[in-house]
Amino acid sequence: KTQVEQSPQSLVVRQGENCVLQCNYSVTPDNHLRWFKQDTGKGLVSLTVLVDQKDKTSNGRYSATLDKDAKHSTLHITATLLDDTATYICVVGDRGSALGRLHFGAGTQLIVIP
Amino acid sequence: DMKVTQMPRYLIKRMGENVLLECGQDMSHETMYWYRQDPGLGLQLIYISYDVDSNSEGDIPKGYRVSRKKREHFSLILDSAKTNQTSVYFCASSVPGQGNTEVFFGKGTRLTVV
Repeated sequence: KTQVEQSPQSLVVRQGENCVLQCNYSVTPDNHLRWFKQDTGKGLVSLTVLVDQKDKTSNGRYSATLDKDAKHSTLHITATLLDDTATYICVVGDRGSALGRLHFGAGTQLIVIP
Repeated sequence: DMKVTQMPRYLIKRMGENVLLECGQDMSHETMYWYRQDPGLGLQLIYISYDVDSNSEGDIPKGYRVSRKKREHFSLILDSAKTNQTSVYFCASSVPGQGNTEVFFGKGTRLTVV
């Protein structure tokens, strides 16, 4: 059973627009949540990690929120660029160490058009 | 420059052939992973290695085995490849014992079994 659900499955936005990606999960315990960017044919690159019960992070044009009570996270991308075209993957870690397991969502495919 | 390197990047094998996927990391990370990524699914853990000769099965180990004789190298072996093992395989590494430890991914190996 899928424990990390991402929506939308795919999204097309025009360059300069903002977008919001959603992640709902049922993983327990939920130690942390990380968002990755995966360019086509490439590996996953970490964008941000959220840890606290209600957490917010910001990394340039990327900002993220986490609500552990709701088991929900969002990734906001502001003023999108063509290079933002990629798959964004939500990953929930059930422990804070490598002994834990990472639970991966299937990703949201973002396409930024001119 | 922290790096996880996978070789080869692309591979085509016939059903029944043996397959060797190699992974190296230059960060002296103790923990290494092999995942596979299939369309519409999140990454699935095949094997995890906590250090040299300390390997554990992940969620989908059937049909695979691994070898870790040096901390820097982690190999994935398919004895008698099957067509349903066609996938993109990712190697990753991390530092154990730290909260929210970051995971570094290679660029992946695209394996096609015909």
